[in-house]
Amino acid sequence: AQSVTQLGSHVSVSEGALVLLRCNYSSSVPPYLFWYVQYPNQGLQLLLKYTSAATLVKGINGFEAEFKKSETSFHLTKPSAHMSDAAEYFCAFGQGGSEKLVFGKGTKLTVNP
Amino acid sequence: EADIYQTPRYLVIGTGKKITLECSQTMGHDKMYWYQQDPGMELHLIHYSYGVNSTEKGDLSSESTVSRIRTEHFPLTLESARPSHTSQYLCASSWGGWELFFGEGSRLTVL
Repeated sequence: AQSVTQLGSHVSVSEGALVLLRCNYSSSVPPYLFWYVQYPNQGLQLLLKYTSAATLVKGINGFEAEFKKSETSFHLTKPSAHMSDAAEYFCAFGQGGSEKLVFGKGTKLTVNP
Repeated sequence: EADIYQTPRYLVIGTGKKITLECSQTMGHDKMYWYQQDPGMELHLIHYSYGVNSTEKGDLSSESTVSRIRTEHFPLTLESARPSHTSQYLCASSWGGWELFFGEGSRLTVL
């Protein structure tokens, strides 16, 4: 079955440190991949998306993700964490012919001062 | 900023009561979705609609029902709430292409 797996339900970093949130997908054909962010007591918001135009995708708030077919990965990174980045991040998967997104379990990011 | 609204944001209700979670969007999107979110779990699609008078069940079986009489409105109803229905329900809409705009969610607690 097509799915996404997020490694690590909780990630903690210091302010100013690199943020790395991991996502691996399972699919026999190239997927469309997304990262969504959910701030406390809010709905999800699109951070960035991969739709095969470029393997390195830049999103909002300084985040970016790189699609690596050989590793079936789409990890999310940010060079320098800010306190306002504390949130839950969801990797999601969509495939041509289906209008539905499949979400991972989410990774909660804590940023320590 | 997305214009999609969910009410109520929080609801605590007794077993056996009928509840309706409201979802409205002002973006003119044809596609609307209901997801169920529990801590540490994937978001599960429970209902979706591709337009007026079109509703389908999602990947996760749910005892709730939905209706789509108007483009902007996609309410979810539970005829008889049970403690197992305690969860957060997220409504979303889209033009298509998987870019979903989410509401802030309705957190339901059934005692």
